[in-house]
Amino acid sequence: GQQLNQSPQSMFIQEGEDVSMNCTSSSIFNTWLWYKQEPGEGPVLLIALYKAGELTSNGRLTAQFGITRKDSFLNISASIPSDVGIYFCAGPTLKTSYDKVIFGPGTSLSVIP
Amino acid sequence: NAGVTQTPKFRVLKTGQSMTLLCAQDMNHEYMYWYRQDPGMGLRLIHYSVGEGTTAKGEVPDGYNVSRLKKQNFLLGLESAAPSQTSVYFCASSYTQGPGANVLTFGAGSRLTVL
Repeated sequence: GQQLNQSPQSMFIQEGEDVSMNCTSSSIFNTWLWYKQEPGEGPVLLIALYKAGELTSNGRLTAQFGITRKDSFLNISASIPSDVGIYFCAGPTLKTSYDKVIFGPGTSLSVIP
Repeated sequence: NAGVTQTPKFRVLKTGQSMTLLCAQDMNHEYMYWYRQDPGMGLRLIHYSVGEGTTAKGEVPDGYNVSRLKKQNFLLGLESAAPSQTSVYFCASSYTQGPGANVLTFGAGSRLTVL
């Protein structure tokens, strides 16, 4: 079935550094979603992308919908300690009559003050 | 505005016992989902529902059953719990069309341990 791959699996960065992570698939997606999960909580939506090539920002976060529609990228500028968490990409699959949203395995981010 | 509410938050079961996790949403969303989250595995879809009275299998449906008798509620059942079902379970819901389509709102999770 369709799968999403995320890299890197984990990151340890210094406060103030910029962060880049990506999500890839062997299949086309029409929507890319980026979520953040903090310990003990459910994932929370950061950014939603709906068009190939789209670049969308949410504060220090910027995400892009890849031109091939098989990938997406998330960048965090000037990281701060509260950016710690697991970042998931997700998207609705196209192979069934009904949309079902699948998730990548996540990128774990640790920020060193 | 409660959003998505899951009960219970924690539960410990013995192998072979049964239980039901309840998910309730007050946003009038059509779609509802149950995911399980295990370390290093991300969120895997168990079952989902596109509307009242309908359910469908996700990526890992074996050992689970679901029901959607009311639009606002989605129940996940374990008929005979196994240690492999020890996990954190998340419920989510979304609209199907228009702004916000397929954008999931999650509950806080239910941590289940099967001994």
